[in-house]
Amino acid sequence: LAKTTQPISMDSYEGQEVNITCSHNNIATNDYITWYQQFPSQGPRFIIQGYKTKVTNEVASLFIPADRKSSTLSLPRVSLSDTAVYYCLVGGNMDTGRRALTFGSGTRLQVQP
Amino acid sequence: DTGVSQDPRHKITKRGQNVTFRCDPISEHNRLYWYRQTLGQGPEFLTYFQNEAQLEKSRLLSDRFSAERPKGSFSTLEIQRTEQGDSAMYLCASSTSLAFYNEQFFGPGTRLTVL
Repeated sequence: LAKTTQPISMDSYEGQEVNITCSHNNIATNDYITWYQQFPSQGPRFIIQGYKTKVTNEVASLFIPADRKSSTLSLPRVSLSDTAVYYCLVGGNMDTGRRALTFGSGTRLQVQP
Repeated sequence: DTGVSQDPRHKITKRGQNVTFRCDPISEHNRLYWYRQTLGQGPEFLTYFQNEAQLEKSRLLSDRFSAERPKGSFSTLEIQRTEQGDSAMYLCASSTSLAFYNEQFFGPGTRLTVL
């Protein structure tokens, strides 16, 4: 399984853009890159998924360079409610059919007023 | 509320006792997953069902752990002879083939404390 490396923690202020970068040097050809968000005492929540280039939804953007060895989750204009742990996951290879998600330790984002 | 539900939300038990947790997935989600999460760590995969068939089990799922999904709807996770190391949050998730490949919908979890 491809291992991911992301910062342990990040701090930001309300209204700023936050970029969290994840390294996944051993990503397999058909692996997807997925990000989840988790608030205390809640289960993780799917944010965004991509394979290459850029993906954008109403919550975030995901930037993936051509070599796919890293990815960056971009949260525009964060608010206090974005304080959470963000997980970068690599996998879901459709060739293997394996569906288990492999979470790392995540990045704890603290948004200050 | 049409999300994934788990019962109970909290369970305190003594070492050596058996415990059972229940998960009700989102209606018509044919895939169901169990994860375990300890403090400061991300969730760890335990097992996966497609309908009533258990298709994947982690090595973390020792002989003391058993999971069922008898009619392809709700699922139960039983831990026999609990140990203090079993103390964790047990998360259930469900998904459908219509969602993104890695999109799973998680419940609020059952927090187990083994004394």
